[in-house]
Amino acid sequence: EPEVTQTPSHQVTQMGQEVILRCVPISNHLYFYWYRQILGQKVEFLVSFYNNEISEKSEIFDDQFSVERPDGSNFTLKIRSTKLEDSAMYFCASSDTGKGRTDTQYFGPGTRLTVL
Amino acid sequence: GQQLNQSPQSMFIQEGEDVSMNCTSSSIFNTWLWYKQDPGEGPVLLIALYKAGELTSNGRLTAQFGITRKDSFLNISASIPSDVGIYFCAGQSWNSGNTPLVFGKGTRLSVIA
Repeated sequence: EPEVTQTPSHQVTQMGQEVILRCVPISNHLYFYWYRQILGQKVEFLVSFYNNEISEKSEIFDDQFSVERPDGSNFTLKIRSTKLEDSAMYFCASSDTGKGRTDTQYFGPGTRLTVL
Repeated sequence: GQQLNQSPQSMFIQEGEDVSMNCTSSSIFNTWLWYKQDPGEGPVLLIALYKAGELTSNGRLTAQFGITRKDSFLNISASIPSDVGIYFCAGQSWNSGNTPLVFGKGTRLSVIA
């Protein structure tokens, strides 16, 4: 069964450093998402992406964040200058057309980001 | 922003017991979803509900979309050890798969063999 994959599984970085989290969505999906989950808290929406541009973003997704689909398979989340409070699990998700009621968002296993 | 209130926060039950958890919201959602998250994993979809009043089953799991569209419950019958994990409800405001999901805070289920 097709699945969303994410790398790395765990990333440790120093405060102020840039990190890039990578995702390979399900191959025929067209909508891509990033969510994050701070330890012990709920999953929160960051951004959705379609047709090479951002569809929607939350208040969390400030100027320090950017997303990119550099090729036909990868979808990346970049944090330009990490802060301690960026430490969280980051989940990538993808959905089919995004226009139908049954277009489920499928989640990857997550990248645990630790900012020291 | 929209918020979902999920309860209970945690449950400890004996193997074989039935489990019930629910989510409520002050605003209407057009889609309700229930996900399960195992440690170190991403959320996995269990059940999706698209219509007010809809009752849907997936094996031992049953979920309902409340008539008011402001609540949903998930029941697990005859729990087994592999049911352990965190269960999240999630809502979408529109009947479109690309709308961001709003998640509840989760119910942590522990099953005692």
